[in-house]
Amino acid sequence: TAGITQAPTSQILAAGRSMTLRCTQDMRHNAMYWYRQDLGLGLRLIHYSNTAGTTGKGEVPDGYSVSRANTDDFPLTLASAVPSQTSVYFCASSDSSETEAFFGQGTRLTVV
Amino acid sequence: GQNIDQPTEMTATEGAIVQINCTYQTSGFNGLFWYQQHAGEAPTFLSYNVLDGLEEKGRFSSFLSRSKGYSYLLLKELQMKDSASYLCAVRDSNYQLIWGAGTKLIIKP
Repeated sequence: TAGITQAPTSQILAAGRSMTLRCTQDMRHNAMYWYRQDLGLGLRLIHYSNTAGTTGKGEVPDGYSVSRANTDDFPLTLASAVPSQTSVYFCASSDSSETEAFFGQGTRLTVV
Repeated sequence: GQNIDQPTEMTATEGAIVQINCTYQTSGFNGLFWYQQHAGEAPTFLSYNVLDGLEEKGRFSSFLSRSKGYSYLLLKELQMKDSASYLCAVRDSNYQLIWGAGTKLIIKP
């Protein structure tokens, strides 16, 4: 069972470059989320989507954009990476905003 | 602001019982979640409380008191594989999850 898949697993990115983190789920979940996880801090919500065609800003959206063209895919784009965006990024999905979330395996991004 | 507090780290002995506390101050409350996260891996769902009281699931139990803004996760018969971080998260009035920084649990033989 695939569940929710992220790519790449890890990446080193030069500052100023753009990059898209991919996220795909096969559970037909309506809601999808992007979080970043930094040492000593809780997971912080970057962007979310409650259903295909809609997106919303989370707690730390600046420097990131998302799209939700269909139910399965929820890519996260960094337009011009900065070192402070070095983090582990988790994509998650849930059947609705009222149920538990399932997480992808994470993308470890280092911006140098 | 919104805040979730948990101890940073706890140590316990294999076979023993440990209680991990979580206190929260959020704008609204629509449920509290506990997740387990092994080092380098994704968080996985453990439990969900929306009403006061104890929810038991095998060796793990979770308790909620909404009036006190307090929850705990109780782990019994600890095993080495329980060494992980335990994350407390509260769903606020906008149905967004607010996460604590997690409690790293170290199990010693």
